[in-house]
Amino acid sequence: DTEVTQTPKHLVMGMTNKKSLKCEQHMGHRAMYWYKQKAKKPPELMFVYSYEKLSINESVPSRFSPECPNSSLLNLHLHALQPEDSALYLCASSQEGLLFANQPQHFGDGTRLSIL
Amino acid sequence: DAKTTQPPSMDCAEGRAANLPCNHSTISGNEYVYWYRQIHSQGPQYIIHGLKNNETNEMASLIITEDRKSSTLILPHATLRDTAVYYCIVRVDSGYSTLTFGKGTMLLVSP
Repeated sequence: DTEVTQTPKHLVMGMTNKKSLKCEQHMGHRAMYWYKQKAKKPPELMFVYSYEKLSINESVPSRFSPECPNSSLLNLHLHALQPEDSALYLCASSQEGLLFANQPQHFGDGTRLSIL
Repeated sequence: DAKTTQPPSMDCAEGRAANLPCNHSTISGNEYVYWYRQIHSQGPQYIIHGLKNNETNEMASLIITEDRKSSTLILPHATLRDTAVYYCIVRVDSGYSTLTFGKGTMLLVSP
């Protein structure tokens, strides 16, 4: 069982569709992350939110639009994706701030996205 | 680029200790060594981390060499459920510092 919940678990969409991935945690974590993982590759960081503000964008294309509406929720809005965007999208959360140094990230089980 | 080097795969018999090595020869004084694992179709799972002292928890032990250039993750009694990709990561602990995953080691535990 994971304390970070991601929905949906699987998503198939066409290149012209608009969809959203959702991530939720209730551990009081104030840092939240999106990672992308291609098949047989390690996860790669996409975005970091700290206290609901975007802190890091790893040069991700604008067809991926993150949103953090509150401290428990993280969304990833998808629009006009390409077949090469098919991957496992992982959400993670962690404590934030120097007082919480050494705290690990907690991951969800991801959304497996397929672009037709 | 990842700062660690791990063997791509290892095998272990069920019930035996699994010793997973990691080389991090360029580690800085303020960087910690973290271990995560990823079981098939699941998200990465935190295992353990350390700075320079050996660490042990309910899942594993972490042995860091005195010069901190390498470490070993030890699963004392491997089970079939320990079959996973194991990632060794070095990171600075400052708030929400990010994780950079390398290729990891695929550990296969067999009966």
